[in-house]
Amino acid sequence: EPEVTQTPSHQVTQMGQEVILRCVPISNHLYFYWYRQILGQKVEFLVSFYNNEISEKSEIFDDQFSVERPDGSNFTLKIRSTKLEDSAMYFCASNLADYTDTQYFGPGTRLTVL
Amino acid sequence: KNQVEQSPQSLIILEGKNCTLQCNYTVSPFSNLRWYKQDTGRGPVSLTIMTFSENTKSNGRYTATLDADTKQSSLHITASQLSDSASYICVVSAKSNYQLIWGAGTKLIIKP
Repeated sequence: EPEVTQTPSHQVTQMGQEVILRCVPISNHLYFYWYRQILGQKVEFLVSFYNNEISEKSEIFDDQFSVERPDGSNFTLKIRSTKLEDSAMYFCASNLADYTDTQYFGPGTRLTVL
Repeated sequence: KNQVEQSPQSLIILEGKNCTLQCNYTVSPFSNLRWYKQDTGRGPVSLTIMTFSENTKSNGRYTATLDADTKQSSLHITASQLSDSASYICVVSAKSNYQLIWGAGTKLIIKP
């Protein structure tokens, strides 16, 4: 069964550094998302992406963040100048149809900022 | 303000027993309601999606109900198994922007 994959599974970085989290959505899906979950807290929406552009973003998704679909398969989240509070689990998701369709989540990347 | 509240916060039951988890929401205009299962350290997995016109939907031993008038949903798990131990998250989508509003989840522990 097709699944969303994410790399790396765990990323450790120093405060102030830039990180790129990578996702490979399910191949025929058209809508892509990034979420984050701080340990013990709710899942939080960051951004949705459709037709090679951001369709929605939350208040969390400020200028520190950017997303890109550099080729036909990868979907990346870049976090510039990381802060301690960026430490969280970052999930990528994708779906085929539109916002009302089931979203399939990847296993997540645990980001630790020291 | 759009919000999703879940109860109980945590629940411990014995293997083989049934349980019901609750979700109340104040999301308007309503688009759909989803229940996800999240194992510790893993991504959420969709169990059900219900739209306004659907009152109940089943997925194996999981049955979700929706009362759009009272803005309440429940997830009933029948004949629980050890593998059902996880967080169960209620998520509501608003028509205005289709952004998903996440509940805090109910942490369910099944004991042998």
